[in-house]
Amino acid sequence: AQTVTQSQPEMSVQEAETVTLSCTYDTSESDYYLFWYKQPPSRQMILVIRQEAYKQQNATENRFSVNFQKAAKSFSLKISDSQLGDAAMYFCAYRSTGNQFYFGTGTSLTVIP
Amino acid sequence: GAGVSQSPRYKVAKRGQDVALRCDPISGHVSLFWYQQALGQGPEFLTYFQNEAQLDKSGLPSDRFFAERPEGSVSTLKIQRTQQEDSAVYLCASSLRRTWDTGELFFGEGSRLTVL
Repeated sequence: AQTVTQSQPEMSVQEAETVTLSCTYDTSESDYYLFWYKQPPSRQMILVIRQEAYKQQNATENRFSVNFQKAAKSFSLKISDSQLGDAAMYFCAYRSTGNQFYFGTGTSLTVIP
Repeated sequence: GAGVSQSPRYKVAKRGQDVALRCDPISGHVSLFWYQQALGQGPEFLTYFQNEAQLDKSGLPSDRFFAERPEGSVSTLKIQRTQQEDSAVYLCASSLRRTWDTGELFFGEGSRLTVL
């Protein structure tokens, strides 16, 4: 089975600064999707950004971007110009060809005013 | 509906009671997933439906857990004879299509179950 590892249980960043959240995964598949989800204290998870494994170009969504290293099986999330509203739990997720989703244990991000 | 709706949001049960958690996915979404999320942990897969068919139930922790989606829309997760270790947030998520696509999961707010 695929596994997703987030090695940073907690991270903090000054408002307006940049922070990078790490994620690694283990798989034998060649085609898959990777996601970063954000879970604010209300607990509803929302999608931040997605990456298709067959695309070499790193995905970007406004202040959010990823560094996807397929050979290293690494998928980090960079948040630029951090805002107070970015404070949340962030989960890295892997979607297999069998339409199964695997989640990491999460990183709790604190934004310091 | 506009989003994935789950009810009840909070449920307190005495050990040994049966509980039923409901999920109403986004209209037209074919795939429906149930996850269990313990405090401070990531979601753990329980079961997956494609329309009314339960394609994967490998994550259900015991035979006390049962899920159904009889008409391919609303789903119910039932837990019989609840135990304290069942205390968690139960997340429901849906996605649009069954075939390989870029579709992400859309999550509900979850049902927080506390077993006393």
